[in-house]
Amino acid sequence: DAGVIQSPRHEVTEMGQEVTLRCKPISGHNSLFWYRQTMMRGLELLIYFNNNVPIDDSGMPEDRFSAKMPNASFSTLKIQPSEPRDSAVYFCASRKASRLTDTQYFGPGTRLTVL
Amino acid sequence: AQKVTQAQTEISVVEKEDVTLDCVYETRDTTYYLFWYKQPPSGELVFLIRRNSFDEQNEISGRYSWNFQKSTSSFNFTITASQVVDSAVYFCALLNNAGNMLTFGGGTRLMVKP
Repeated sequence: DAGVIQSPRHEVTEMGQEVTLRCKPISGHNSLFWYRQTMMRGLELLIYFNNNVPIDDSGMPEDRFSAKMPNASFSTLKIQPSEPRDSAVYFCASRKASRLTDTQYFGPGTRLTVL
Repeated sequence: AQKVTQAQTEISVVEKEDVTLDCVYETRDTTYYLFWYKQPPSGELVFLIRRNSFDEQNEISGRYSWNFQKSTSSFNFTITASQVVDSAVYFCALLNNAGNMLTFGGGTRLMVKP
């Protein structure tokens, strides 16, 4: 079975540009999570969806960040406009929603560099 | 609030040595779930193991073993006869009973030298 797929794997952009990160969860998984990893703050949850509906976006740092899940097999995390402090590795994870305490499986991450 | 502490930020061993990575957690839930993930130099996060709070049996998987001690709120991870390929950052994580909060420790960077 394919794992969580993220694209792009690396993104370098300039301050002020729009950045879109993409995620395809594991087939059959109905919960999807976006995390950010930085040296200073470690791994932190940004937002998660159950059955394509955003449940908790309290971790989204500010209005420049938005996430969508138009269907069960695709999600995007958008940053507009991007800033150098957004540089981090962004992970997407998915989980079967049949049990809320099931294991989250992570994608390979997108390393974002904002110059 | 819940918290996971991995006091060892970095460990260096020589190949074939045994090494134990410590994890201590805090939670008010009586039911919770513990995990270990591995992050190799390539960057992905790989799931290793899950343990439910009501199951205190220790587990062994090849060279890996996990020691869950509810009395001391610890979930330690031991690698026996370490290999260079074990070099990675290892994260311990705690999931609350509601399943909506997965808290990670700061990670332990393990370097296995040949």
